[in-house]
Amino acid sequence: ETGVTQSPTHLIKTRGQQVTLRCSSQSGHNTVSWYQQALGQGPQFIFQYYREEENGRGNFPPRFSGLQFPNYSSELNVNALELDDSALYLCASSSDRRDEQFFGPGTRLTVL
Amino acid sequence: AQTVTQSQPEMSVQEAETVTLSCTYDTSENNYYLFWYKQPPSRQMILVIRQEAYKQQNATENRFSVNFQKAAKSFSLKISDSQLGDTAMYFCAFMKLMNYGGSQGNLIFGKGTKLSVKP
Repeated sequence: ETGVTQSPTHLIKTRGQQVTLRCSSQSGHNTVSWYQQALGQGPQFIFQYYREEENGRGNFPPRFSGLQFPNYSSELNVNALELDDSALYLCASSSDRRDEQFFGPGTRLTVL
Repeated sequence: AQTVTQSQPEMSVQEAETVTLSCTYDTSENNYYLFWYKQPPSRQMILVIRQEAYKQQNATENRFSVNFQKAAKSFSLKISDSQLGDTAMYFCAFMKLMNYGGSQGNLIFGKGTKLSVKP
């Protein structure tokens, strides 16, 4: 167990809907990174938040947005869901931007 | 752009034997970290071992060790005395290091190797 928690565990949405995924970082960590893992693939970097500000973004459209709160927990929001958004969404926290990342158990999103 | 390649989609090994998983990467950077992560069926990604590129000595964590060949851009993982609990997907990952002020520590993953340990 890493101390990183994510909710919900599973989620089913329909195309066009919006979804919010949540992540609580490990105690003492100020950085949260989000990754999308499609079935049979390695995780792909979505974005990273450091001290409540976005600190880098991968190749994902603007309908993927995020937020980090003063307690360093984080949200990932996805608007206008598409079928290809079906994936496991992982968050990882670290004590600084370049340090070892500790992963949560993930949220499995299914878009129908 | 950095890329990570794992050329073995699946591997199997008998319990108590040794297995080596391959990883190559492409980068023009000189300062970076390399990682091996394990993802069991429970989905939680767990760090197995980490290597700093500036260190010549290969990292070791109990039964896990790496063979880091910087010039060849190769980073293989050796698992000794394989156990049933080692059954999982294994991902090789790269993290670029920049000047502190502009650093973005995102991981770049390979596609993974599915390892099965057989009794």
